[in-house]
Amino acid sequence: GAGVSQTPSNKVTEKGKYVELRCDPISGHTALYWYRQSLGQGPEFLIYFQGTGAADDSGLPNDRFFAVRPEGSVSTLKIQRTERGDSAVYLCASSLDRVSHEQYFGPGTRLTVT
Amino acid sequence: DQQVKQNSPSLSVQEGRISILNCDYTNSMFDYFLWYKKYPAEGPTFLISISSIKDKNEDGRFTVFLNKSAKHLSLHIVPSQPGDSAVYFCAAKETSGSRLTFGEGTQLTVNP
Repeated sequence: GAGVSQTPSNKVTEKGKYVELRCDPISGHTALYWYRQSLGQGPEFLIYFQGTGAADDSGLPNDRFFAVRPEGSVSTLKIQRTERGDSAVYLCASSLDRVSHEQYFGPGTRLTVT
Repeated sequence: DQQVKQNSPSLSVQEGRISILNCDYTNSMFDYFLWYKKYPAEGPTFLISISSIKDKNEDGRFTVFLNKSAKHLSLHIVPSQPGDSAVYFCAAKETSGSRLTFGEGTQLTVNP
């Protein structure tokens, strides 16, 4: 009965490496969002999927960041050539559809780039 | 530019008293507002929301007030309980949009 799940819960990687973060939304939710939260800040929007397509990717900070949702359910956030400034908690959220305002968040993945 | 601001990083209240958390916004296109609660090592949990066509929404111990002319909203928790101790985030949304814009959060501590 599940809520939004995210794996891994923690990821430590070296600068320059590639990482993938996974999100499994609430079953039946068609809208999926990625946010990033830095220490002492609120979550910041990265990208929004409606179904399989990225409807709004304007929050992605640069082209090292990419996300996919090939079957309209699970999504993967991919970060290439990681930098220390990418260290943050990456949160995934889902909502029932594009008109539902309430978004339900997963526990997040804490990414540390050393 | 910070479109949603929570000016109090922390708030401490006694158990049984009222907690009032405040939030201000600058974007007049925002027309839906939400409050989330976050415990350490967990994701934000949806608490309560309000549409801009209302000025008050109540759910049990939680009430959100919206003052559109002042671009201000507040969350009232009464009576406060120790289990309410958490970080509270205010978030705003345009009806036509998808993203939530969050404030910086307020750490609420309810002392027994």
